[in-house]
Amino acid sequence: GAVVSQHPSRVICKSGTSVKIECRSLDFQATTMFWYRQFPKQSLMLMATSNEGSKATYEQGVEKDKFLINHASLTLSTLTVTSAHPEDSSFYICSASGLRTGELFFGEGSRLTVL
Amino acid sequence: SQQGEEDPQALSIQEGENATMNCSYKTSINNLQWYRQNSGRGLVHLILIRSNEREKHSGRLRVTLDTSKKSSSLLITASRAADTASYFCATDAVNTGTASKLTFGTGTRLQVTL
Repeated sequence: GAVVSQHPSRVICKSGTSVKIECRSLDFQATTMFWYRQFPKQSLMLMATSNEGSKATYEQGVEKDKFLINHASLTLSTLTVTSAHPEDSSFYICSASGLRTGELFFGEGSRLTVL
Repeated sequence: SQQGEEDPQALSIQEGENATMNCSYKTSINNLQWYRQNSGRGLVHLILIRSNEREKHSGRLRVTLDTSKKSSSLLITASRAADTASYFCATDAVNTGTASKLTFGTGTRLQVTL
């Protein structure tokens, strides 16, 4: 099946620094990628929808200046958490949609810990 | 919030027993999907049922969909310890303007003991 790779899988950073998380579709072209956030023992909450070559669409309540999303190619989207704070500590998961509607593939997630 | 709800929140059963999880959602949908997540890992797609389908099977999984009640159930038969995980339903709502934009339910944590 299709593979979506996230990197890094774990990152620890100091408060105030910025962290970039990459999401790559390895064997298919992803026209749309989604970024989710998941707190412990909770569900996934959609943060934003990223379309290749255009600006991301953010969900209500998600600060676009805080969570910068870039989808520069059909195989790569990046999420940058700027000026991270401890409350940004979470599990971030991306998913990528191929050309077939409803077919969605998830990355393994990236656990961010902000000290 | 448009997030769906699942019940039970947690379920503990013994190996060999069946596990049933329920999902309710709020909007009209194109399809409903079930995913599995092992602790600290990504999601694994289990099964997709379209809005015009009422029941679907895949191995030990059986999914039902009742669009009039806006609900779905996932049945895992003859459970195994390896089925221990969190299970989420996710809906692909009509008219979101974006294919595959999923809204996830609150999840059921399944524990299967030997």
